[in-house]
Amino acid sequence: QQQVKQSPQSLIVQKGGISIINCAYENTAFDYFPWYQQFPGKGPALLIAIRPDVSEKKEGRFTISFNKSAKQFSLHIMDSQPGDSATYFCAASSPPWRNSGYSTLTFGKGTMLLVSP
Amino acid sequence: NAGVTQTPKFQVLKTGQSMTLQCAQDMNHEYMSWYRQDPGMGLRLIHYSVGAGITDQGEVPNGYNVSRSTTEDFPLRLLSAAPSQTSVYFCASSYRGGPTGEQFFGPGTRLTVL
Repeated sequence: QQQVKQSPQSLIVQKGGISIINCAYENTAFDYFPWYQQFPGKGPALLIAIRPDVSEKKEGRFTISFNKSAKQFSLHIMDSQPGDSATYFCAASSPPWRNSGYSTLTFGKGTMLLVSP
Repeated sequence: NAGVTQTPKFQVLKTGQSMTLQCAQDMNHEYMSWYRQDPGMGLRLIHYSVGAGITDQGEVPNGYNVSRSTTEDFPLRLLSAAPSQTSVYFCASSYRGGPTGEQFFGPGTRLTVL
């Protein structure tokens, strides 16, 4: 059962345009929603994250919009640049494992973004 | 700090062979995890550890073994490699008290099983 659904699988955007990637989740126990960025041949790296009590978070050109009632969240990349070309993963964090403080991450399947010059 | 390091970068195995993927971190993180990444599948959790001597299974643990004898190291063992284990493997670490969901990933090991 896929708990985090991500779309689209791939996306081509012109330089200067807005890139939008959407995710939907099923488990209402998820309590943190990070986005990871991965360049070819590299490991994923945390880009931006949001908690469910906030509807929007902005960091530079990157914005997360969160709709708790619809169980959906999205990443918007404003003024997209060729350097933003990468694979983006949304994820959802489960409550800590027992009393350890560790939270497991459930990832979407990823979106390959290409920003054309 | 080197962060999270993984060795080897590439490996080719024959079916039935065993091997260990190495992972080390120098950030004194309590938590470490192993993921596999397959095309169109995202990252799936194999095993994780919340401290030395404490490990647990993730979503896809079959065919893999882990142990955590030190804070720094978290090796992943393939007991008898199968073609279905062809994948890119990522190790990640995170720290107690850090932002939930923030994990630091290594550069990955690309494994091919023939």
